[in-house]
Amino acid sequence: ETGVTQSPTHLIKTRGQQVTLRCSSQSGHNTVSWYQQALGQGPQFIFQYYREEENGRGNFPPRFSGLQFPNYSSELNVNALELDDSALYLCASRTVQGDNEQFFGPGTRLTVL
Amino acid sequence: GQSLEQPSEVTAVEGAIVQINCTYQTSGFYGLSWYQQHDGGAPTFLSYNGLDGLEETGRFSSFLSRSDSYGYLLLQELQMKDSASYFCAVSTSSGGSYIPTFGRGTSLIVHP
Repeated sequence: ETGVTQSPTHLIKTRGQQVTLRCSSQSGHNTVSWYQQALGQGPQFIFQYYREEENGRGNFPPRFSGLQFPNYSSELNVNALELDDSALYLCASRTVQGDNEQFFGPGTRLTVL
Repeated sequence: GQSLEQPSEVTAVEGAIVQINCTYQTSGFYGLSWYQQHDGGAPTFLSYNGLDGLEETGRFSSFLSRSDSYGYLLLQELQMKDSASYFCAVSTSSGGSYIPTFGRGTSLIVHP
């Protein structure tokens, strides 16, 4: 069974640019969530996708958007990057909506200069 | 909105027992989860409490009191590898969605 994978591992962008991060869910999981984790902080919930629809969103502006594909892989897109967007971006998948155990990927470290 | 409070740091010696507390203020509370994260690693799920009481999984136990908006994670027979950050996370229900909110984390340092 393959776990949750994310790409790329590290990324450096400049202010104003756009970025796309990718996540492959664990086999059999149909729900994926994205988190932003700043250094020394807990993961902050960005949004969640279930069956290709966004069905939960945290306190993040619309320039944070996402997609989930029929194979349950997912993308996080961030437009108009700001310096404060520098963080570790984590995706997590689980088996069914409402299931409590989330499986996290290793994350993408984004640095905005 | 939601808020969670947990200690920023806890230290203990190998073989000891340590308790990490978590208090929360939220609406639409559904359950409380605990995650472990080593430096440079991804969070890993430890336990979940949806109902009041104690859940035990090996050396780790977690407790919830919904009436007190309080929970804790208990780690027994501490090992050096338990040195990590521990996060409590509340799940709230909103329109059929379960929205998780994580605390700021507790750094556990285990000394020999």
